[in-house]
Amino acid sequence: SQKIEQNSEALNIQEGKTATLTCNYTNYSPAYLQWYRQDPGRGPVFLLLIRENEKEKRKERLKVTFDTTLKQSLFHITASQPADSATYLCAPTNFGNEKLTFGTGTRLTIIP
Amino acid sequence: KAGVTQTPRYLIKTRGQQVTLSCSPISGHRSVSWYQQTPGQGLQFLFEYFSETQRNKGNFPGRFSGRQFSNSRSEMNVSTLELGDSALYLCASRTGEPGELFFGEGSRLTVL
Repeated sequence: SQKIEQNSEALNIQEGKTATLTCNYTNYSPAYLQWYRQDPGRGPVFLLLIRENEKEKRKERLKVTFDTTLKQSLFHITASQPADSATYLCAPTNFGNEKLTFGTGTRLTIIP
Repeated sequence: KAGVTQTPRYLIKTRGQQVTLSCSPISGHRSVSWYQQTPGQGLQFLFEYFSETQRNKGNFPGRFSGRQFSNSRSEMNVSTLELGDSALYLCASRTGEPGELFFGEGSRLTVL
């Protein structure tokens, strides 16, 4: 069955450092993979989408990599700030099946 | 442009009752998806509607149903409520093409 694993439920990072979150998937052949941010009690907010033929994508302090051989995506936040504290969710999506399923998320806390 | 609107935001029901939740997507978006979020299970996909037709369905019992109207507004219904149905129910819309989902703030259902 399809499975999405995100590293550790919680991750604590010192302010100013780079936070790296991992998303591993099995039994997917994703055409693309998305990352979302969710704050407590709110709906998720889209951050980045990376396609299968893209190795890396950047947006301001965010960087996403996508390795279809390893079946893994890495999500980096550089120069992290306390405002980056949130839960981050990944969602790989197979081509032709737009049902979007999410990993359980990683709760990131940036410590001042 | 107005975002995704969900009503009601909070509601309390008792076991055995039924509930209807409403979602108004972003104007022009034809796809509406519903998710259930609980602390233990994360974001679980319920179903997706596109142009009034159910396009995808998750693994939920038949007590969970939905529909979409010609103006793309959607409702979901849960009948014979159980304690385990207590959750945050999130609606998300998109144009219909693969890509970014726009989430509402959710409807928090408590079943007593």
